[in-house]
Amino acid sequence: GDSVTQMEGPVTLSEEAFLTINCTYTATGYPSLFWYVQYPGEGLQLLLKATKADDKGSNKGFEATYRKETTSFHLEKGSVQVSDSAVYFCALSVFYSSASKIIFGSGTRLSIRP
Amino acid sequence: EAGVTQFPSHSVIEKGQTVTLRCDPISGHDNLYWYRRVMGKEIKFLLHFVKESKQDESGMPNNRFLAERTGGTYSTLKVQPAELEDSGVYFCASSQVDYRIPDTQYFGPGTRLTVL
Repeated sequence: GDSVTQMEGPVTLSEEAFLTINCTYTATGYPSLFWYVQYPGEGLQLLLKATKADDKGSNKGFEATYRKETTSFHLEKGSVQVSDSAVYFCALSVFYSSASKIIFGSGTRLSIRP
Repeated sequence: EAGVTQFPSHSVIEKGQTVTLRCDPISGHDNLYWYRRVMGKEIKFLLHFVKESKQDESGMPNNRFLAERTGGTYSTLKVQPAELEDSGVYFCASSQVDYRIPDTQYFGPGTRLTVL
């Protein structure tokens, strides 16, 4: 079945460090790929998305490229800030019937030290 | 535009009691979904409404869970009787119908349920 595997956490980095959170997926059909973020005490927010192969999603300095050949959607940021501390979820959505269901990875907790 | 709202934000109940969670989707969104995250694990799909109809309830764990969406607006998720393993965060999401691509789902802040 469809699934998402992402880097185990927690990940702790110093401010201004480079961030990569790995994510790979298994899916039948043509999924859309997402990164959601949950900041402390808040709900899930859509961070970025890509709907087809080679698309690059970007937002708030984060980027991820939909790589069909490697079935990956790694999240990157060139210089992290303390305010980026949160739990990040990689997810896919496959169209079926008249809508879609999201399948999430297990989440990666990111902590940034000042 | 208001986002997805959920009530309550937290609920603490004893094993065997009943709890009802409520979700108000974004106005005009026909699709409404329930998910939950248990014990820091992955977020898992529970069920999907299209308007007032259950489109897919394959993720509902057992018959102690009952979801309704009367009139195709807000939805409730009732757990009766609650068990310890039901503790977790219950998220609601909504989306517009888009037959061309998998639709973006917008999530609420979640309800944290603790069963003692």
